[in-house]
Amino acid sequence: NAGVTQTPKFRILKIGQSMTLQCTQDMNHNYMYWYRQDPGMGLKLIYYSVGAGITDKGEVPNGYNVSRSTTEDFPLRLELAAPSQTSVYFCASRTFGGRGDEQFFGPGTRLTVL
Amino acid sequence: TQLLEQSPQFLSIQEGENLTVYCNSSSVFSSLQWYRQEPGEGPVLLVTVVTGGEVKKLKRLTFQFGDARKDSSLHITAAQPGDTGLYLCAGSTGNQFYFGTGTSLTVIP
Repeated sequence: NAGVTQTPKFRILKIGQSMTLQCTQDMNHNYMYWYRQDPGMGLKLIYYSVGAGITDKGEVPNGYNVSRSTTEDFPLRLELAAPSQTSVYFCASRTFGGRGDEQFFGPGTRLTVL
Repeated sequence: TQLLEQSPQFLSIQEGENLTVYCNSSSVFSSLQWYRQEPGEGPVLLVTVVTGGEVKKLKRLTFQFGDARKDSSLHITAAQPGDTGLYLCAGSTGNQFYFGTGTSLTVIP
């Protein structure tokens, strides 16, 4: 059981470049989330999805796009990268199981925009 | 924006001491979660509290949800070096989560 996996682990982009951060979960969870975490700070929600084909904006969606064509995958697209997007990006899936409401986080993607 | 403020921001204590971390907001949440995050890793859920006034215990950790469901606290008894990490609270409004600013705890052996 791999849980939530994210690729790549690290990436350096030049200003104006684009990239896609990949997120996959094998737990059949309907809810998935993308967060960013700046140094020494909590997490801020970028986008979320409550099921395949359904996505919605979080607190800080500008400069990002998402899609959810399958239950397993929830990629995050950065268009025209800017230095302000330098951050650590976490993907999470959510379940309402035995422990109640729980999010499972991936290991993160550390992105630097120069 | 649903702002969750945690205090203290940094805490350094000796092994065996007790401590309390606070998570406060002016907003009402349907549930509140506490996470611990270690460097280079994603947050890991410690507990979810749902009912106002609820108290949950997890070994040496005690979590409380405020009566009005706007605030929460995490109390650690007899802290150990393994408790070192970043503690995050997160409030849920249904589909969305709002994370606190974090408390960085260091327990010195």
